[in-house]
Amino acid sequence: DTAVSQTPKYLVTQMGNDKSIKCEQNLGHDTMYWYKQDSKKFLKIMFSYNNKELIINETVPNRFSPKSPDKAHLNLHINSLELGDSAVYFCASSQRVSGGGDTQYFGPGTRLTVL
Amino acid sequence: SQKIEQNSEALNIQEGKTATLTCNYTNYSPAYLQWYRQDPGRGPVFLLLIRENEKEKRKERLKVTFDTTLKQSLFHITASQPADSATYLCALPSSNTGKLIFGQGTTLQVKP
Repeated sequence: DTAVSQTPKYLVTQMGNDKSIKCEQNLGHDTMYWYKQDSKKFLKIMFSYNNKELIINETVPNRFSPKSPDKAHLNLHINSLELGDSAVYFCASSQRVSGGGDTQYFGPGTRLTVL
Repeated sequence: SQKIEQNSEALNIQEGKTATLTCNYTNYSPAYLQWYRQDPGRGPVFLLLIRENEKEKRKERLKVTFDTTLKQSLFHITASQPADSATYLCALPSSNTGKLIFGQGTTLQVKP
């Protein structure tokens, strides 16, 4: 069984389009995250939700809007895509907020390419 | 600001040798440190966590040390195998929010 799944795996789109990435975890975790990994492999947190409540919102353009319909799902919607948005986006989950050292479980990633 | 540094150059070693990867941090004192492995095209996978009051942690062929004076963690893989080839990331909690901050990772290549 896949613990953290993301769809789609690959996303190729034109500049200016709007797209969404979906994430689901079946681990029963309370906390979910979105990370962006750029071409230099830096993995940076974008958002975190705990029990459907936004708890971390990094300095991310407001074109990016996360949505958590329930604690097992965290989706990412991106408006007006730009070339610089091209990256791999990872969803992750942990039992609780990571301050106590909880392990994070990552999804397989979504490679977004903006043309 | 908090900073994490891992050697960005790839580490190439011969099968059977011990690989040692370094994670240095500045400007804060984390309560713990985690190491993750990332294979190409996949998400990071958790390997080990070491807390500030622990000097060393082992798991099978893996060993992690945590020197809070030097502000450094070393990650060792003994008797390395080609299957150990991957990128290894260290991660520390941010001092104020508890979110994890990841280093850029060091790519290890083990040659048969």
